[in-house]
Amino acid sequence: DTGVSQDPRHKITKRGQNVTFRCDPISEHNRLYWYRQTLGQGPEFLTYFQNEAQLEKSRLLSDRFSAERPKGSFSTLEIQRTEQGDSAMYLCASSLRSEQGARTGELFFGEGSRLTVL
Amino acid sequence: SQQGEEDPQALSIQEGENATMNCSYKTSINNLQWYRQNSGRGLVHLILIRSNEREKHSGRLRVTLDTSKKSSSLLITASRAADTASYFCATDPIRGTSYGKLTFGQGTILTVHP
Repeated sequence: DTGVSQDPRHKITKRGQNVTFRCDPISEHNRLYWYRQTLGQGPEFLTYFQNEAQLEKSRLLSDRFSAERPKGSFSTLEIQRTEQGDSAMYLCASSLRSEQGARTGELFFGEGSRLTVL
Repeated sequence: SQQGEEDPQALSIQEGENATMNCSYKTSINNLQWYRQNSGRGLVHLILIRSNEREKHSGRLRVTLDTSKKSSSLLITASRAADTASYFCATDPIRGTSYGKLTFGQGTILTVHP
């Protein structure tokens, strides 16, 4: 399967613990996005990368959150000292932006990583 | 923050009927997209309409865009039980630092009864 894959699909942790999520985008895609989605809401933007460069971070991304995309391939999203309010689905998506600045426009999403903080 | 509002929040119809969902947004856009999400799953792209387009079709989907009213609608014709899902509109801003960063609405939950 050549789609976006996320791991783990489900994570249950205790408050105060650290968690890390991994996203493997579609191989030729140079842009990678992280979104967070809570029950009954639409996805909210967290951050995105073009290749290995992190271009923008949302104000939702507190100091406890950090994202990396070493070598412009897979990405990790780490949450330190988790809080109950961090419970959500964390969605990763990728897209292609051409050298000329044009792109297909659509995002390809993974199945998400559901985090439950007890 | 959510860019747009979707209406209705929930829609329940019988198989074979048409379903119409509306989306309003606030800022200028490069394009508007619609996505579908089955419960507990990721989002799947359905259709994209550019700011200079007014209507677009894809199979049983018809999307309209009115940039003067900052609104869009998604029509699903001859609905099927398998169309049961949440539907989200997402706006792609005009060129700038946020180019390519989609902002999603809160979604419409569609239930199609067999």
